[in-house]
Amino acid sequence: GQSLEQPSEVTAVEGAIVQINCTYQTSGFYGLSWYQQHDGGAPTFLSYNGLDGLEETGRFSSFLSRSDSYGYLLLQELQMKDSASYFCAVRDPSNTGKLIFGQGTTLQVKP
Amino acid sequence: EPEVTQTPSHQVTQMGQEVILRCVPISNHLYFYWYRQILGQKVEFLVSFYNNEISEKSEIFDDQFSVERPDGSNFTLKIRSTKLEDSAMYFCASSEYLAGGTSHEQYFGPGTRLTVT
Repeated sequence: GQSLEQPSEVTAVEGAIVQINCTYQTSGFYGLSWYQQHDGGAPTFLSYNGLDGLEETGRFSSFLSRSDSYGYLLLQELQMKDSASYFCAVRDPSNTGKLIFGQGTTLQVKP
Repeated sequence: EPEVTQTPSHQVTQMGQEVILRCVPISNHLYFYWYRQILGQKVEFLVSFYNNEISEKSEIFDDQFSVERPDGSNFTLKIRSTKLEDSAMYFCASSEYLAGGTSHEQYFGPGTRLTVT
């Protein structure tokens, strides 16, 4: 089976940097994705790591270490609009595209 | 920018009734999914659909659930006899085909909030 662990809540101030960690246990591995969700709205794709290392997309970066079954999402220059839930998700190796989500981390950005 | 659309945005139904949730995936996408999210919980996979058939389904997707792609644009989820515990937000998603399979990026619709009373 697949399981993912991430912190339930993180608080940071505007302009700061925050890191949201994700550890996973999977029977196979086909990449780690990050999605953002505002107030129960549609999850929105942020980033994907299929190989070890850092992927950078503007203010957001994501890192993966397959040997440690660990990844993180790094958000820089935090803005109030970044307040949302962030989910890590692993893609099931069955190649149907099925995503298994973590419980989500609620990020609160304070002024 | 292309987007996934879903209707209705909110559906209230009585226990035991049938509901059909509708989705229009992005037009050139070939992989379609339904997920659900119970309030305050994580997003859970229900079913994936490719080449006009179910490619995988979860244990949640029992005989009360079915999916259809009745034409070239719509993708529907039917719950035959709703239960209280079916109350959740239901998200449709789609992804495009890349060499070797589906893209790693899934595009989610805005969701249908289903309330079973």
